[in-house]
Amino acid sequence: QKEVEQDPGPLSVPEGAIVSLNCTYSNSAFQYFMWYRQYSRKGPELLMYTYSSGNKEDGRFTAQVDKSSKYISLFIRDSQPSDSATYLCAMSGGGSYIPTFGRGTSLIVHP
Amino acid sequence: GAVVSQHPSRVICKSGTSVKIECRSLDFQATTMFWYRQFPKKSLMLMATSNEGSKATYEQGVEKDKFLINHASLTLSTLTVTSAHPEDSSFYICSATVGSGRDNEQFFGPGTRLTVL
Repeated sequence: QKEVEQDPGPLSVPEGAIVSLNCTYSNSAFQYFMWYRQYSRKGPELLMYTYSSGNKEDGRFTAQVDKSSKYISLFIRDSQPSDSATYLCAMSGGGSYIPTFGRGTSLIVHP
Repeated sequence: GAVVSQHPSRVICKSGTSVKIECRSLDFQATTMFWYRQFPKKSLMLMATSNEGSKATYEQGVEKDKFLINHASLTLSTLTVTSAHPEDSSFYICSATVGSGRDNEQFFGPGTRLTVL
């Protein structure tokens, strides 16, 4: 079992839809959870950063962490075509700050 | 936010040649720089971690003689793919960090697409 599991998609939604992206993990030592957005042929950029369990909201984006279930989510409200990208989850902890990445989910928002 | 650049953005070379990729932190001094490799529809694979002035720490399975990393200053790290072969074709991404612990956000470069013919 990989440390971080993420469905690669693609996930195709109409503009304005609520998008839910998810990752599961197996390492209970993970405490820091991140979501990155990566446009085609570009490097990843940090979207959201959360520590331990709970929710964090930033504009149209909400990150949720459920450590008891080892499950994290990223919600995108009122999705836009410009949100079309690959979204990678990443997490770290247990004495290492180097994150372990999921394989990324490709999101397509069509007008 | 902090900016990390990579050069070149794309390189095509013949099998057997060596290719150098530069990673620069433009507006900050990076504590640590990382080199990743990414295959299509696959996750980022950490290759090595480097701190300025010291030898890079390579991940298991990464040949250090094949992928030479030099971290000459707090703003520059280079990755040299020696005697490149078609299987080395990939997207190489560097990142740099500022600070430590929970504030240790990684800032990624735009990546370098290497194609070995």
